[in-house]
Amino acid sequence: DGGITQSPKYLFRKEGQNVTLSCEQNLNHDAMYWYRQDPGQGLRLIYYSQIVNDFQKGDIAEGYSVSREKKESFPLTVTSAQKNPTAFYLCASSNGMDIQYFGAGTRLSVL
Amino acid sequence: AQSVAQPEDQVNVAEGNPLTVKCTYSVSGNPYLFWYVQYPNRGLQFLLKYITGDNLVKGSYGFEAEFNKSQTSFHLKKPSALVSDSALYFCAVRDGTGANNLFFGTGTRLTVIP
Repeated sequence: DGGITQSPKYLFRKEGQNVTLSCEQNLNHDAMYWYRQDPGQGLRLIYYSQIVNDFQKGDIAEGYSVSREKKESFPLTVTSAQKNPTAFYLCASSNGMDIQYFGAGTRLSVL
Repeated sequence: AQSVAQPEDQVNVAEGNPLTVKCTYSVSGNPYLFWYVQYPNRGLQFLLKYITGDNLVKGSYGFEAEFNKSQTSFHLKKPSALVSDSALYFCAVRDGTGANNLFFGTGTRLTVIP
C-alpha cells in the first residue's frame, strides 16, 4: 500500500447524497485507476486517467464521477445516481505499462 | 477481448504442502499476466508478472508462476505453504489497447490449515 493513500477508510452515505473518496499518490505515476470490489466478482474498473486533466470511463462508470486536476490526486465521487454503492473501492496507480500499485481501500456503506 | 478465469473459489492446503492456484486467460496478442494477493480489508499487493522470457516466473514471498502458452494458463505455485499465505489471490491480464488496464479474475481464497 505504500505510496498511495486512500481516505477515509470507512464511509457512510445517506439516500440522495453524493460522497467523495480521496486518492493521493506520491509515486510520481502518470496513470491512476478506480476499481470497485464486490464479493465474488473480483475488481471492476470504474474510471482511469492516463494523464492530468484527462480521464476515461471504465466498465462500470454510471453513477460515478472523477477529476484529475493534479498528477498526485484522483478523487472519486459516488453520486446519488449510483443506486447500489455499497462496496470496497480501490485506487491504483502505475508508471506507464507496468505494475499497478494499490491503496488500502475505502469501504462504503449506505445508511 | 480479454478475460481471466479462476476456476476455484476456494483452495485449502495443509501447512508445509505445495500449493497451486489456477488461472486461465484469453487475450488477443501477447499476454501480459499478473498475480496479486489481498489480505482482509487491505488493498492488493503485487506478487509477480509475466511479460516475456522464461515460462517460470519467480515473485515475492517464495511464490512462482508457470506460464503455459498452449494451455493458456498461468498457475500460481509455492513449494511449501505457510499459514500466513492464507489470503485472496487474483490473477489479471493486461489489455492490448495501450491503456494498461487490467482485467481481473474473480479471485481464489486460499486457506492454509495448520
